[in-house]
Amino acid sequence: NAGVTQTPKFRVLKTGQSMTLLCAQDMNHEYMYWYRQDPGMGLRLIHYSVGEGTTAKGEVPDGYNVSRLKKQNFLLGLESAAPSQTSVYFCASSMTSGELLSTDTQYFGPGTRLTVL
Amino acid sequence: GQSLEQPSEVTAVEGAIVQINCTYQTSGFYGLSWYQQHDGGAPTFLSYNALDGLEETGRFSSFLSRSDSYGYLLLQELQMKDSASYFCAVRDRAAGNKLTFGGGTRVLVKP
Repeated sequence: NAGVTQTPKFRVLKTGQSMTLLCAQDMNHEYMYWYRQDPGMGLRLIHYSVGEGTTAKGEVPDGYNVSRLKKQNFLLGLESAAPSQTSVYFCASSMTSGELLSTDTQYFGPGTRLTVL
Repeated sequence: GQSLEQPSEVTAVEGAIVQINCTYQTSGFYGLSWYQQHDGGAPTFLSYNALDGLEETGRFSSFLSRSDSYGYLLLQELQMKDSASYFCAVRDRAAGNKLTFGGGTRVLVKP
């Protein structure tokens, strides 16, 4: 199993350009997440999905859109990139039972390093 | 909403013990998780506490006190490879079991 994969690994954009980041998982997980991590900081949730065809906003959703057309894929789109979106983007997935004692471990992809000039 | 506080940096020598504290405020607490992240790498799961008490996994242990909204991660017999950032995170039962992460504690292990 590859786990969680992300493409691309690196990308440089100019202000105003658009792009899509792809996340794929082969663990049959229901839940998927997109985070951003700025230097020296924790992870902040952008959007998440609790199943195929569903998406929801996280802490910092502005400027991003997502889609979950297939269970194994979760796409993050930037319609008009801004320098403030320079960050490392991590995708994660989890299989959750929703029960108290379940760890609901999140498995992270290797990240996409995005620079917006 | 949720908020978590943890120290920004800790330095220790090989073989020592380090305790990383985490205090949290949350409206729908479901459990406290710990993740490790090496520079340039992805976060990886270390431990999870849903109930009060100590959970031990090899050299790492995690503790939770729900009444005090407090937990800690204990790293014993420190090794150079333990140099990394450690994040506490709380689960929000109300919204997709999503995690809210603390700012992270950078642990530097010196010879």
